Amino acid sequence: EAQVTQNPRYLITVTGKKLTVTCSQNMNHEYMSWYRQDPGLGLRQIYYSMNVEVTDKGDVPEGYKVSRKEKRNFPLILESPSPNQTSLYFCASSFLAGAVETQYFGPGTRLLVL
Amino acid sequence: GQQLNQSPQSMFIQEGEDVSMNCTSSSIFNTWLWYKQEPGEGPVLLIALYKAGELTSNGRLTAQFGITRKDSFLNISASIPSDVGIYFCAGMGAGTASKLTFGTGTRLQVTL
Repeated sequence: EAQVTQNPRYLITVTGKKLTVTCSQNMNHEYMSWYRQDPGLGLRQIYYSMNVEVTDKGDVPEGYKVSRKEKRNFPLILESPSPNQTSLYFCASSFLAGAVETQYFGPGTRLLVL
Repeated sequence: GQQLNQSPQSMFIQEGEDVSMNCTSSSIFNTWLWYKQEPGEGPVLLIALYKAGELTSNGRLTAQFGITRKDSFLNISASIPSDVGIYFCAGMGAGTASKLTFGTGTRLQVTL
C-alpha cells in the first residue's frame, strides 16, 4: 500500500530537549516536504527536498533542520524546541516536484512543547 | 510570504444543501488545488486546476480557476454527512520548486 508514515504521532516534550520526527515513504518519490499546521494559518512549508542530499528552506524554516540521506526518509529535527513550535506537523511526498496529483500526505505528528 | 485568503472560515449547513467557498490571493498562481482534511489525517487532493478559466468537476465537487489567476472557487452540491472536514485551497506559482501556499481553511459541518 502506498503511504507516507510519520513517527511519533503524538509527542510531549520540554523546551530545549532535542527531538526528531521521522518521515518515510514507500513510493520511490523524489520530492518530499514538511509542513506545520496552526489554527487560522493553514499549512506552511518548513523545508523541502527535491532529491537525495538536496534540501531547501520553505516559508518557516527557523528552528528546524532536515536531512535527506536516503530517498525514502526525510526526518525533521528540532535541535532546541520552543513552545512556539507546538503544532501539527505533516510530511508529504510526490513523484517529482510539481507532480501534485501524485502527492501523499502523512497522518500528522502532534507536538506539544512545554 | 504570500497569503491566501479563504472564506468562509466555517460553515454549518443541512444535508442536501449546496456549499460554496473561495480563495483569493494577492499574487498570481499557475496552479490551484483544493484539498480536504478529515480529523486525524493529512490533506487529500480533491481537484487540481492548471489553466485560467478552467472548470473541473469531481463527482459532486466543482472547482474553477479564476480568470485573473488570483482566485479559485469550490462548490459542493447536495452535501452529505461525509463531506464534513476542513477544505483547503492551495496555489503554486511558476518556478517555485513546487512550493505550495495554502489557504487558511474552511471548516464544514453538515447536520442531518
